[in-house]
Amino acid sequence: AQSVAQPEDQVNVAEGNPLTVKCTYSVSGNPYLFWYVQYPNRGLQFLLKYITGDNLVKGSYGFEAEFNKSQTSFHLKKPSALVSDSALYFCAVRDSNSGYALNFGKGTSLLVTP
Amino acid sequence: EAQVTQNPRYLITVTGKKLTVTCSQNMNHEYMSWYRQDPGLGLRQIYYSMNVEVTDKGDVPEGYKVSRKEKRNFPLILESPSPNQTSLYFCASSLQGGGTEAFFGQGTRLTVV
Repeated sequence: AQSVAQPEDQVNVAEGNPLTVKCTYSVSGNPYLFWYVQYPNRGLQFLLKYITGDNLVKGSYGFEAEFNKSQTSFHLKKPSALVSDSALYFCAVRDSNSGYALNFGKGTSLLVTP
Repeated sequence: EAQVTQNPRYLITVTGKKLTVTCSQNMNHEYMSWYRQDPGLGLRQIYYSMNVEVTDKGDVPEGYKVSRKEKRNFPLILESPSPNQTSLYFCASSLQGGGTEAFFGQGTRLTVV
């Protein structure tokens, strides 16, 4: 079975500071990992994904994520946060042994203060 | 523009009154699915479809039905809505393939009174 954990309900960071949103996963096969962002009253927007290859993945809006197989983690990062980054962030995993279903974490609310 | 379109965006209904939420995608995706989003629970999959006439239950299918008569459309049907189905619903589509990202609709906020 596949699962995702986002251990923080909320992350607060000052504008200009680096941000990290944490995600750990559990799969039986190989993981396909995704990050999505949700702004108020909007659907989920795809940010980035890890399939294979380089452990550091770059995505939209300056975000990147680091895949760590030994720690089964896929943390989302950004070197310098913007107030406009404030949103709800979801990590998701698809297990290579489990078809196409995406399993989502519970989400982390990011608040960037001026 | 590539998109997933859901309608309606907002819906208030009464217990027991059948309703349908429509979903359409213009990307020729084989895989489509429905999720519900509840505070503190994240997104949970209700039903999914691998292709036309192929549907299957997700994690929380009770009280819902779906159909996939055409590749682009995947409506969600609540035959007899109950208050515990008050939620935010998302339709998503993707190409088949483990590493393909899903595209989401704007969401339908359903309130059952």
